[in-house]
Amino acid sequence: TQLLEQSPQFLSIQEGENLTVYCNSSSVFSSLQWYRQEPGEGPVLLVTVVTGGEVKKLKRLTFQFGDARKDSSLHITAAQPGDTGLYLCAGRIGGGSNYKLTFGKGTLLTVNP
Amino acid sequence: SQTIHQWPATLVQPVGSPLSLECTVEGTSNPNLYWYRQAAGRGLQLLFYSVGIGQISSEVPQNLSASRPQDRQFILSSKKLLLSDSGFYLCAWQGDSLGPQHFGDGTRLSIL
Repeated sequence: TQLLEQSPQFLSIQEGENLTVYCNSSSVFSSLQWYRQEPGEGPVLLVTVVTGGEVKKLKRLTFQFGDARKDSSLHITAAQPGDTGLYLCAGRIGGGSNYKLTFGKGTLLTVNP
Repeated sequence: SQTIHQWPATLVQPVGSPLSLECTVEGTSNPNLYWYRQAAGRGLQLLFYSVGIGQISSEVPQNLSASRPQDRQFILSSKKLLLSDSGFYLCAWQGDSLGPQHFGDGTRLSIL
């Protein structure tokens, strides 16, 4: 059973378009991270969200954490070829002594020039 | 600032040979350390994690083992590699239990 479902799995768009990718779960997360990974490299942290309903912006990227802390979305405005990569969400269930992150399988985004 | 080093970047090994991948972290003390495997550029499977020297938690039964001989050193090993051990191995560190994880650049392991 996949605790974190990411959709869509693949997305190919033209430069300048907007897009939204989703991360959903039936579990409540104490915190959730979004990462971007390029081929042959490790994932790079984009943002951490911890409060239900929280919205964070990073230039053209907008991240939202669901009110119930079970889901999150990433919206990219005016996508550029440099946004191409695998977008992974990862959440921590509970807190305290839980040192593990649960990762989704990712959304592979291709932005064509 | 904190940095994480993982090596080698790529490795080609024959079936049945031993393995040792090393990961070191600089600029932080007593980090949580993690080994993941990633198949075909998709989601990450947690293999091992460590919250202190000599403390190793294994997530899945497999042909691999991990050790943490020093505070900021995490080693992934195998005595005899299988074809199924091929993949992209990632090391990560975490500064506190509620914080994000930070990844190395990974090791691409191919078993022939």
